[in-house]
Amino acid sequence: EVQLVQSGAEVKKPGESLKISCKGSGYSFTNYWIGWVRQMPGRGLEWMGIIYPGGSDTRYSPSVQGQVSISADKSTSTAYLQWSSLKASDTAMYYCARPGTPRVADAFDIWGQGTMVTVSS
Amino acid sequence: DIVMTQSPDSLAVSLGERATINCRSSQSLLSSSNNKNYLVWYQQKPGQPPKLLINWASTREAGVPDRFSGSGSGTDFTLTISSLQAEDVAVYYCQQYYSTPGTFGQGTKLEIK
Repeated sequence: EVQLVQSGAEVKKPGESLKISCKGSGYSFTNYWIGWVRQMPGRGLEWMGIIYPGGSDTRYSPSVQGQVSISADKSTSTAYLQWSSLKASDTAMYYCARPGTPRVADAFDIWGQGTMVTVSS
Repeated sequence: DIVMTQSPDSLAVSLGERATINCRSSQSLLSSSNNKNYLVWYQQKPGQPPKLLINWASTREAGVPDRFSGSGSGTDFTLTISSLQAEDVAVYYCQQYYSTPGTFGQGTKLEIK
């Protein structure tokens, strides 16, 4: 079964760093892009960025460029979303998701369960 | 960035009636190379991740009931639920993947009247 399993909920203070994870299984991790989608409380979906683990090509939305870092570890089939200095406005549910077609950054048909990040002093 | 605008923001429909959600993009999502529209529809129920319903503007994903249909081309698209069921209560999003960032519409909340 194809799955994306995300790390657990986090509660952090402003200014702290954080790295959340998304582990893929049941498919060839390096053949599919993985994306990150943000959903702030009570709000809609926001495409943050996407990475191709097979070649490390990474693309960011201008709205988050420079604010987060997306990476992937082929050896553990895990993608990461990282912050160096969190803000209260980073409070959101974060989903990883995988497109349905290998090597193509198209629609997301497999989603992780989500990781809730709460940033509060 | 391509801007996606959905209408209405919320919609209340009686059980068994038709629900229609619209999505407009700020530029064409139709590829001249393959004549496909790079537009999808997702359904998101409370506490769950989104679920892909419709790809290429009109192709239902496997297992999606045939009461769901997508139509449109270029910049104007529609998701139609032909006969609303109680389990269809959700927020529906369109998304373009013609170019990055793959922008979403703001969502349409569908409720039972």
